[in-house]
Amino acid sequence: DAGITQSPRHKVTETGTPVTLRCHQTENHRYMYWYRQDPGHGLRLIHYSYGVKDTDKGEVSDGYSVSRSKTEDFLLTLESATSSQTSVYFCAIGGRGDNEQYFGPGTRLTVT
Amino acid sequence: QKEVEQDPGPLSVPEGAIVSLNCTYSNSAFQYFMWYRQYSRKGPELLMYTYSSGNKEDGRFTAQVDKSSKYISLFIRDSQPSDSATYLCAMISSGTYKYIFGTGTRLKVLA
Repeated sequence: DAGITQSPRHKVTETGTPVTLRCHQTENHRYMYWYRQDPGHGLRLIHYSYGVKDTDKGEVSDGYSVSRSKTEDFLLTLESATSSQTSVYFCAIGGRGDNEQYFGPGTRLTVT
Repeated sequence: QKEVEQDPGPLSVPEGAIVSLNCTYSNSAFQYFMWYRQYSRKGPELLMYTYSSGNKEDGRFTAQVDKSSKYISLFIRDSQPSDSATYLCAMISSGTYKYIFGTGTRLKVLA
């Protein structure tokens, strides 16, 4: 398995609170991604990073921000959680060069 | 129209059957094609990765890409109950960061 961990694995939070999800990799890979997975929509890209401090938006970035201060860590923040952000969030590494992308175990987030 | 179309299933087959899973796509720039297996409440696991057209075989799994028809397939031979999962196709163009995923096909292999 690719060395990707996500924390927390499960979280329940209230509407309006900020939430930060962490992705940690031990593969020293340059490219990291955050996706959300919802029934009927599949995997949708939220943000991605192509290096330390280099990030860009994906197709569903509204309400989310990211930061990458170290190669191994990619943080996803929900600035003010809403019920529509209830989802399973996956971190992934890979791309550009090898093009093989590997996923973490996911974080199940419920916003009440 | 979505860039990648995948039948959601569920697809139910008896143990030992040959399974065919498919995706169609519209963007002719896609060059790299992947199949992932995802068990319930787990992350997607990369199964097969192919570049451009042709076949690739790995054990019981064969990935096939037909760029002229914009059609990719994953074949599973001698299917097992442990193959029961959701299978996602994914693809990407050269020089981009954005992977495009199908919505997944749920497969059930009945013992």
